[in-house]
Amino acid sequence: AQSVAQPEDQVNVAEGNPLTVKCTYSVSGNPYLFWYVQYPNRGLQFLLKYITGDNLVKGSYGFEAEFNKSQTSFHLKKPSALVSDSALYFCAVRDPYNAGNNRKLIWGLGTSLAVNP
Amino acid sequence: GAVVSQHPSWVICKSGTSVKIECRSLDFQATTMFWYRQFPKQSLMLMATSNEGSKATYEQGVEKDKFLINHASLTLSTLTVTSAHPEDSSFYICSASFEGPRSPLHFGNGTRLTVT
Repeated sequence: AQSVAQPEDQVNVAEGNPLTVKCTYSVSGNPYLFWYVQYPNRGLQFLLKYITGDNLVKGSYGFEAEFNKSQTSFHLKKPSALVSDSALYFCAVRDPYNAGNNRKLIWGLGTSLAVNP
Repeated sequence: GAVVSQHPSWVICKSGTSVKIECRSLDFQATTMFWYRQFPKQSLMLMATSNEGSKATYEQGVEKDKFLINHASLTLSTLTVTSAHPEDSSFYICSASFEGPRSPLHFGNGTRLTVT
């Protein structure tokens, strides 16, 4: 079955340190990969995506993610964390070859990021 | 661009009443809208997918007669929670899509429903 795993429920980092939020997926073929962020009591905001091409993609707010096909991973990274980055982060995958519903996303369970001052 | 407006942002209702949540795409035409439910500290649970002018497709385990979805136009979808009960209390989020599968979804800010 297709799935997305975010192995860490919570990640704690000190402000100014680099951060990584992990995501691995189990989807056949060449899926499209997305990261979203959710602040308390708000909807989700799109951060970045990987469709094809360069494995390192850059997105909003200084975030980037590295696609690794052999490890089926798409980890989210930021060189220097800010307290304002504290939020819930979701990894999502789309199977573009699902002709019946190729806009549907498969979601990870989310990782709560806490950046400490 | 690509703004999705969801209303109301929060609502409190009594058990047995119905509540309607609106999701509007303000600057684009949403061919597909998704309705999610989110429990505290948990991931998103897709409830249904709606396409303009056709019946919504509900996920397994979601009661279609309880959660009525109407996608009457390319800019508006509504979710009505009928005969609400306290266990329906949750955070409901809509999202809209107007581009192909390479494009991200655009989300509303969610509705916090509390049933007393």
